Amino acid sequence: AQSVTQLGSHVSVSEGALVLLRCNYSSSVPPYLFWYVQYPNQGLQLLLKYTSAATLVKGINGFEAEFKKSETSFHLTKPSAHMSDAAEYFCAVQTGANNLFFGTGTRLTVIP
Amino acid sequence: DSGVTQTPKHLITATGQRVTLRCSPRSGDLSVYWYQQSLDQGLQFLIQYYNGEERAKGNILERFSAQQFPDLHSELNLSSLELGDSALYFCASAGSRFDYNQPQHFGDGTRLSIL
Repeated sequence: AQSVTQLGSHVSVSEGALVLLRCNYSSSVPPYLFWYVQYPNQGLQLLLKYTSAATLVKGINGFEAEFKKSETSFHLTKPSAHMSDAAEYFCAVQTGANNLFFGTGTRLTVIP
Repeated sequence: DSGVTQTPKHLITATGQRVTLRCSPRSGDLSVYWYQQSLDQGLQFLIQYYNGEERAKGNILERFSAQQFPDLHSELNLSSLELGDSALYFCASAGSRFDYNQPQHFGDGTRLSIL
């Protein structure tokens, strides 16, 4: 069965600093992995997806994630945090039944 | 705007009652997924419909049921409500039955509060 684990329920960074949100996956087959962002009182918005075409995936708002099979990781990064990046971020893996298994989420706080 | 519409945005009701949540998928999407987001359980998959047929079930309680209509909108019915059912309920849609690598697009959710 596929699953993901997000390390760190809360991450704080200073504005302009590197953002690193960690996600590790467990899957017996090549996984399809996603990062979603949830702003307060809103639904989930797709940031990026990994579908085996390239290990480094670029998404919206300057985010990117690198798929590392040897480490079973799919960490999300952004070189320079902006105040508008404050939100909750979810890593997800698509299961064999096509639904998404979500991690527990990481709340990102950006300090001015 | 994801193109997925959920109504109502907020719902307040009492224990033992029954409610219906509605979802209109993006134009052209055939698959509808329902998820529950709560503080203690996080985001959990409930059920999926594809073109009117149930395709997959997750952690959905027997008190909950769903259906997808010919016009592809979907309804999630929650009955005999308990305090623990208070949560944010999301609907998502995707294009085809074989949704491998196709992202799901989420609505803004319905916040259900049980008093």
